[in-house]
Amino acid sequence: SQQGEEDPQALSIQEGENATMNCSYKTSINNLQWYRQNSGRGLVHLILIRSNEREKHSGRLRVTLDTSKKSSSLLITASRAADTASYFCATAANTGFQKLVFGTGTRLLVSP
Amino acid sequence: DSGVTQTPKHLITATGQRVTLRCSPRSGDLSVYWYQQSLDQGLQFLIQYYNGEERAKGNILERFSAQQFPDLHSELNLSSLELGDSALYFCASSVGTSGSSYNEQFFGPGTRLTVL
Repeated sequence: SQQGEEDPQALSIQEGENATMNCSYKTSINNLQWYRQNSGRGLVHLILIRSNEREKHSGRLRVTLDTSKKSSSLLITASRAADTASYFCATAANTGFQKLVFGTGTRLLVSP
Repeated sequence: DSGVTQTPKHLITATGQRVTLRCSPRSGDLSVYWYQQSLDQGLQFLIQYYNGEERAKGNILERFSAQQFPDLHSELNLSSLELGDSALYFCASSVGTSGSSYNEQFFGPGTRLTVL
């Protein structure tokens, strides 16, 4: 079973707009990671945020983490058609093992 | 390109058969992870190896087994295949495994298994 729930399940926007995806999880974590997947292909690692961090930036990506609410958000600014993909959050627990538990994913469609 | 390679890309086989999926981690990575992605179960962790030893098990069926070899490549063996085993199987690798040394996992392109 998956730990994370992502919201929305699908998001459709125009190029240039911002896209925000949210992820909620259930247990305490060491870190949370966001991945992108283009239509059934491999997962591309986007960003990792540790449990003692609240916000992280990478290019047009901004990730926030609220451990008290067990939630994270991914913001993609000035979206492009090439950002069209599914986005997954994945959590690593504080167990000493690094297996990732993935959320259900958000399908993002960016129209030109 | 993540540096993780997986072969084959596609595999079509019949129920009851056995297949082997192969993964080569990024250079320098000691940990290998296997994940299954299916429409009904989403992305599920199967098993992790670190430097040849099994470190963690997830939702891996008894019909499935894996190993990591001295050169660090890994194989996932799926036997007595059923229709429901049709899925994308991903391998990922990372540098470390223990304690506070959590690192990004880099995923291979996956093997798409179709069981007819």
